[in-house]
Amino acid sequence: DTAVSQTPKYLVTQMGNDKSIKCEQNLGHDTMYWYKQDSKKFLKIMFSYNNKELIINETVPNRFSPKSPDKAHLNLHINSLELGDSAVYFCASSQTLLVQDTQYFGPGTRLTVL
Amino acid sequence: GENVEQHPSTLSVQEGDSAVIKCTYSDSASNYFPWYKQELGKGPQLIIDIRSNVGEKKDQRIAVTLNKTAKHFSLHITETQPEDSAVYFCAARKSRWVEYGNKLVFGAGTILRVKS
Repeated sequence: DTAVSQTPKYLVTQMGNDKSIKCEQNLGHDTMYWYKQDSKKFLKIMFSYNNKELIINETVPNRFSPKSPDKAHLNLHINSLELGDSAVYFCASSQTLLVQDTQYFGPGTRLTVL
Repeated sequence: GENVEQHPSTLSVQEGDSAVIKCTYSDSASNYFPWYKQELGKGPQLIIDIRSNVGEKKDQRIAVTLNKTAKHFSLHITETQPEDSAVYFCAARKSRWVEYGNKLVFGAGTILRVKS
């Protein structure tokens, strides 16, 4: 009964490869997010979707492409992986875009690019 | 855009002592300030939040204070316990979602160690 789940938990891959991270929430929320946490623990938003519509795209390279097939899923596809993409990626969701709505985070996916 | 500064970056306290973490934000339009706790290997979890129309909020051993004039807010943990050891993040957000998309801007985090 995990609220926000991500797969895989760990991802190790070579430079230049393409990979995807999947996210699902069973909270019935309208809004989902992707965050990147770097090696210094700094958390930065990448994308936000509301009812499958892109709301935020935070100057992320176009090698990163989010896809929301339905409200409960927000997947992240990364093309031509680079060393600098190594980080922990967190998916999150909130009931709506309202400012007071809590964002619930998934457990994270640790991506290592060799 | 919004910038959130958080201090200290690491904090060690003895069990039972209090811990205070401070954050400063730059954009006066920000009006919602959550605090998240991140345990090792897990995602951040909301522990307390405060809106700009409130000066202080308390939940058991945790409290948050907000000074809108000075644009800073603080997390206070009293009677610290070993299980409080984690990374704590402050964040700021604006309410006009159409323009800002419910975007949370995080501070750099504080590693809290509670020694028993």
